[in-house]
Amino acid sequence: GENVEQHPSTLSVQEGDSAVIKCTYSDSASNYFPWYKQELGKRPQLIIDIRSNVGEKKDQRIAVTLNKTAKHFSLHITETQPEDSAVYFCAASGPSNFGNEKLTFGTGTRLTIIP
Amino acid sequence: DVKVTQSSRYLVKRTGEKVFLECVQDMDHENMFWYRQDPGLGLRLIYFSYDVKMKEKGDIPEGYSVSREKKERFSLILESASTNQTSMYLCASSPTIRPGQLFFGEGSRLTVL
Repeated sequence: GENVEQHPSTLSVQEGDSAVIKCTYSDSASNYFPWYKQELGKRPQLIIDIRSNVGEKKDQRIAVTLNKTAKHFSLHITETQPEDSAVYFCAASGPSNFGNEKLTFGTGTRLTIIP
Repeated sequence: DVKVTQSSRYLVKRTGEKVFLECVQDMDHENMFWYRQDPGLGLRLIYFSYDVKMKEKGDIPEGYSVSREKKERFSLILESASTNQTSMYLCASSPTIRPGQLFFGEGSRLTVL
């Protein structure tokens, strides 16, 4: 099955600086890569996603890049703000036994923005 | 707004007890999932369902079973709870047109003594 590795596990960044979180995946059939943000005590929420036919996607201060050859993808947050403090999860979606997609998540990155 | 509701936020059970975790979604989503969240291990898929009465094992199904008798409801069952099943359990749903876009419930924190 799919295996997703995520690094680093913790990251502290000065407010206003950029943060980068990296993930690798094992299954070359995976074709959908979402990122979820989980604030303390709250449910995970989708913040950005990318499909395998696109190399980069941007939404205001966040962007995701994908390198299918190397099987890795990254989340970039620019001009970080205190509200960016959260745990971020990457995920990869590949086919299940019934041909439908299922998500495999990374282990998470706890991002702390230092004021 | 999509709403995924988990019936219990906090439960405390004893070893060997049968535990039911209920999840209801109100957006007519075809897909429903149960994940387990543990520190340092991320979100691990227990079971999922793409249709009523259909279920498929995830990555860690041992010790769990599920039931989906109606489209909006997906139940997770621990037949005989054990201490290593102490965890946060997250239910999620997604539409078929965007199966990877999960909408999560608030979670059920289960403690097994």
